[in-house]
Amino acid sequence: GQNIDQPTEMTATEGAIVQINCTYQTSGFNGLFWYQQHAGEAPTFLSYNVLDGLEEKGRFSSFLSRSKGYSYLLLKELQMKDSASYLCAVGNTGFQKLVFGTGTRLLVSP
Amino acid sequence: DAGITQSPRHKVTETGTPVTLRCHQTENHRYMYWYRQDPGHGLRLIHYSYGVKDTDKGEVSDGYSVSRSKTEDFLLTLESATSSQTSVYFCAISESGFGGYTFGSGTRLTVV
Repeated sequence: GQNIDQPTEMTATEGAIVQINCTYQTSGFNGLFWYQQHAGEAPTFLSYNVLDGLEEKGRFSSFLSRSKGYSYLLLKELQMKDSASYLCAVGNTGFQKLVFGTGTRLLVSP
Repeated sequence: DAGITQSPRHKVTETGTPVTLRCHQTENHRYMYWYRQDPGHGLRLIHYSYGVKDTDKGEVSDGYSVSRSKTEDFLLTLESATSSQTSVYFCAISESGFGGYTFGSGTRLTVV
């Protein structure tokens, strides 16, 4: 079976740093993805980890530990526009079918 | 942004009627996917395609069928719509099958 867990909702203040965790149990692991989704819009790709370690991309970083089935997305210097849902997804081998968690809704306040 | 469009953007239909949603891409990507998104469930895979006329079922395929007669078009059909199929439907494309997806803007379907 496959199971992906992430917190339902988080709040943070503009300018702060927030870490969104994701734990997973899945077979055929082929990468861990993070997507951002603003309300009423399509998900957009943020990051991809296939090996253990940290991937940094501007204000966003993503970490993966395959042995622990754990990933996190780190958002620095939060801005109001970062208020969105953040979706953790695991890629399965075979046509890269992505299995998504239910998403973490992040609310950034002034 | 990748060229991927979904139509219609919004649709209201009656229970028991067939409905077809269209996903059109201009990127010549091999892989195409249909997901539905519901509160509390996240995105769930309905069907996917790995080439023209090559399709397979996903996690929640009951009541849905798909067709892909051309690289650029992937059609999702609800054979006889039910209220449980009220959802937002997203199409996604992937070039290699080993990277991230690009999603379409979604179709909001309401079955009354």
